[in-house]
Amino acid sequence: AQSVTQLDSHVSVSEGTPVLLRCNYSSSYSPSLFWYVQHPNKGLQLLLKYTSAATLVKGINGFEAEFKKSETSFHLTKPSAHMSDAAEYFCVVSDQWTALIFGKGTTLSLSS
Amino acid sequence: DTAVSQTPKYLVTQMGNDKSIKCEQNLGHDTMYWYKQDSKKFLKIMFSYNNKELIINETVPNRFSPKSPDKAHLNLHINSLELGDSAVYFCASSQDPRPGEQYFGPGTRLTVT
Repeated sequence: AQSVTQLDSHVSVSEGTPVLLRCNYSSSYSPSLFWYVQHPNKGLQLLLKYTSAATLVKGINGFEAEFKKSETSFHLTKPSAHMSDAAEYFCVVSDQWTALIFGKGTTLSLSS
Repeated sequence: DTAVSQTPKYLVTQMGNDKSIKCEQNLGHDTMYWYKQDSKKFLKIMFSYNNKELIINETVPNRFSPKSPDKAHLNLHINSLELGDSAVYFCASSQDPRPGEQYFGPGTRLTVT
């Protein structure tokens, strides 16, 4: 069975500093992995996806994630955080029937 | 143009009532989904339809019944609403059944009193 574990429920950073949101996955086959973002009272938006192509994936708004099979990780990073990045972030794996299996989310808070 | 739309955005109702949430996508996608987000923001798949056929049906009470009149619509009907049904319900769509990115609607916040 597929699953994801987001290692931090809450991350706080200052504006302009790097962001690291950690995610480990478990999958019985080569997974498709995603990061989604949910701004307050909004729907979910895809940030980036990994589907067995390049292991370093670039997404929208300056976010990146690196797929590391040896570590079963898919951490999300951004070099410099912006106030508008404050949101809930979900690490997601896709199962064989295409349903998305969500992690429990990481709340990213920003301070100026 | 809104890609995936849901109505209503907010729904407040009493226990025991029956209610429906509608979802429409104008992306031409073949597959549509319903997800439930609980008060702790945990999201879980409920149903998935591909070309009007049910392909995923998670362990959801049979009070929940999805209906897909055509591949652009996937409605969710809930009978005999319970307090525990209070949540945000998201509709989503994707291009085909293979793993891929999904486009989410804005959500429907259901409150059962």
